[in-house]
Amino acid sequence: KQEVTQIPAALSVPEGENLVLNCSFTDSAIYNLQWFRQDPGKGLTSLLLIQSSQREQTSGRLNASLDKSSGRSTLYIAASQPGDSATYLCAVNHTASKLTFGTGTRLQVTL
Amino acid sequence: DAGITQSPRYKITETGRQVTLMCHQTWSHSYMFWYRQDLGHGLRLIYYSAAADITDKGEVPDGYVVSRSKTENFPLTLESATRSQTSVYFCASSVRRNTGELFFGEGSRLTVL
Repeated sequence: KQEVTQIPAALSVPEGENLVLNCSFTDSAIYNLQWFRQDPGKGLTSLLLIQSSQREQTSGRLNASLDKSSGRSTLYIAASQPGDSATYLCAVNHTASKLTFGTGTRLQVTL
Repeated sequence: DAGITQSPRYKITETGRQVTLMCHQTWSHSYMFWYRQDLGHGLRLIYYSAAADITDKGEVPDGYVVSRSKTENFPLTLESATRSQTSVYFCASSVRRNTGELFFGEGSRLTVL
């Protein structure tokens, strides 16, 4: 059974810092991995999608990497801002459109 | 570009009542999904649909019924609501089965008393 773990569960950083969020999964036979952002009381917003054949994807200040062999993905956020405060979720697509989600990392960026 | 809309956004009901959560997408995506999000469990797949009139069970389907008569709509029905079904329900869609990006609605918060 695929299991997805996100560490740390919560993170607080001062504005301007670069930071890395981690996601690990137990079964490397995946189609893709997707990073989401969730604001309190809101739905999930897709940030980056990495296909299994790719190593990384970039969007603005965000960069996500994927290492299938080690079962790891990282989300790098450059020059963090208070508006980046949210919960970040990774999800692995591994079986017939069934995504397995991690439980998220709650990020707070302080002034 | 409306995307995915869910209704109602908030619902309070009583044990044993039937509740239907609606999901409508404007992208003509083939695949649609229902997830529930609970503290300690994260997001879990309830049902999904590959196209109109094609549905399949996810991880936690018991107590739920879905239908998909039109591509754009994917309602989720709780035939006899239980307190354990108190949760936030998210509808999502994707253009492709295994490699497509998943897009979510804003969620429906259901409380069963």
